[in-house]
Amino acid sequence: AQSVTQLGSHVSVSEGALVLLRCNYSSSVPPYLFWYVQYPNQGLQLLLKYTTGATLVKGINGFEAEFKKSETSFHLTKPSAHMSDAAEYFCAVSLPYREYGNKLVFGAGTILRVKS
Amino acid sequence: KAGVTQTPRYLIKTRGQQVTLSCSPISGHRSVSWYQQTPGQGLQFLFEYFSETQRNKGNFPGRFSGRQFSNSRSEMNVSTLELGDSALYLCASSLGDRVFEQYFGPGTRLTVT
Repeated sequence: AQSVTQLGSHVSVSEGALVLLRCNYSSSVPPYLFWYVQYPNQGLQLLLKYTTGATLVKGINGFEAEFKKSETSFHLTKPSAHMSDAAEYFCAVSLPYREYGNKLVFGAGTILRVKS
Repeated sequence: KAGVTQTPRYLIKTRGQQVTLSCSPISGHRSVSWYQQTPGQGLQFLFEYFSETQRNKGNFPGRFSGRQFSNSRSEMNVSTLELGDSALYLCASSLGDRVFEQYFGPGTRLTVT
């Protein structure tokens, strides 16, 4: 069964500092991995995804994530935090398509706070 | 392209009533999934429809149901509402032929009193 663990329900960084949001997954098959961001009172916006190929994935708004199979991790990073990055971030894994179709399993989310 | 739209955005219902939520996917997308988001349980998968057929269902009671129309628009229905059904209901669309990224709508905030 697939599952996602996000370490740290709240992360606080200063503006301009490195952002690191941690995500570990458990999957019985090669995973497809996603990061989404949610601003207050809004839906989820896709930041980036890993399917196959290059393990370092670049997304929108300067975010990137690296798939590390040996560590079963897919941590999200951004070199320099901006105030507008304050939001909740969700890591998700896609279940095997043949059995589950398009079903995502989400982590519990990490709320990112950016201090000025 | 227009994004995923959901109507209504906010809804207040009373226990015991039923509610229908609507979702219009991105043009060309054939898969529509529904998720429930609550502070306690997080994001949980409800069901997915592809080409008018329910392809998968999450672990929710039978009070939760859905359907998809030939134009890929989808509705979900919750009957006999309970206080615990208060949540943000999110719809997501994707192309659907294989694993694709899902694009989410803004959600419908349902409050049950």
